[in-house]
Amino acid sequence: QEQLVESGGGVVQPGGSLRLSCAASGFTFSNYGIHWVRQAPGKGLEWVAFIRYDGSNKHYADSVKGRFTISRDNSKNRLYLQMNSLRAEDTAVYYCAKEGVAVKLNYYYYYMDVWGKGTTVTVSS
Amino acid sequence: IQLTQSPSFLSASVGDRVTITCRASQGITSYLAWYQQKPGNAPKLLIYGASTLQSGVPSRFSGSGSGTEFTLTITSLQPEDFATYYCQQLDSYPRAFGQGTKVEIK
Repeated sequence: QEQLVESGGGVVQPGGSLRLSCAASGFTFSNYGIHWVRQAPGKGLEWVAFIRYDGSNKHYADSVKGRFTISRDNSKNRLYLQMNSLRAEDTAVYYCAKEGVAVKLNYYYYYMDVWGKGTTVTVSS
Repeated sequence: IQLTQSPSFLSASVGDRVTITCRASQGITSYLAWYQQKPGNAPKLLIYGASTLQSGVPSRFSGSGSGTEFTLTITSLQPEDFATYYCQQLDSYPRAFGQGTKVEIK
């Protein structure tokens, strides 16, 4: 079955760096765009970043722009999130999510249909 | 684009009909999805395209709306439906989520 598994979370000091990884299986990874979404403790969902299926296009939330970099290696079926200059407010569970698409009457409807279980990042001194 | 859900908190009984509203700060046609999240779990896709039920999701869930106002309706609330529900716009970037609606047992 389609599956995403995140790894790489941990405790890091403010100003530090961390690289998250997301391993995909059960679907053709190179055909799909993938998102990172995070959730701070006790808070709602926050969209973080997206990368197109071939890596040619990327988008970021303003809160992480210039500090985080999303990338992928389609030969390894892996997605990455390089997080630099980490702040306390980056503390969260980070999920990767596959972007699905449905076409109805020539309109493209996107959604996030497969999610990993998440990896926890804690930024604290 | 900002999404505002109402209510933020809802107390209901098993068997109740529940409606959650999501309002967008500007028109997003039908580019809206709904997710359900239970504590300690990842979100689960319920509806996309404002009204299309994801495969495997019970038919008691339904979505409607277009433009700036959308609703998620659960007819006959079941014990496993007590969770937090989020809307998300997929019209443009950033792919914002609503703040969530927590549905608890009365």
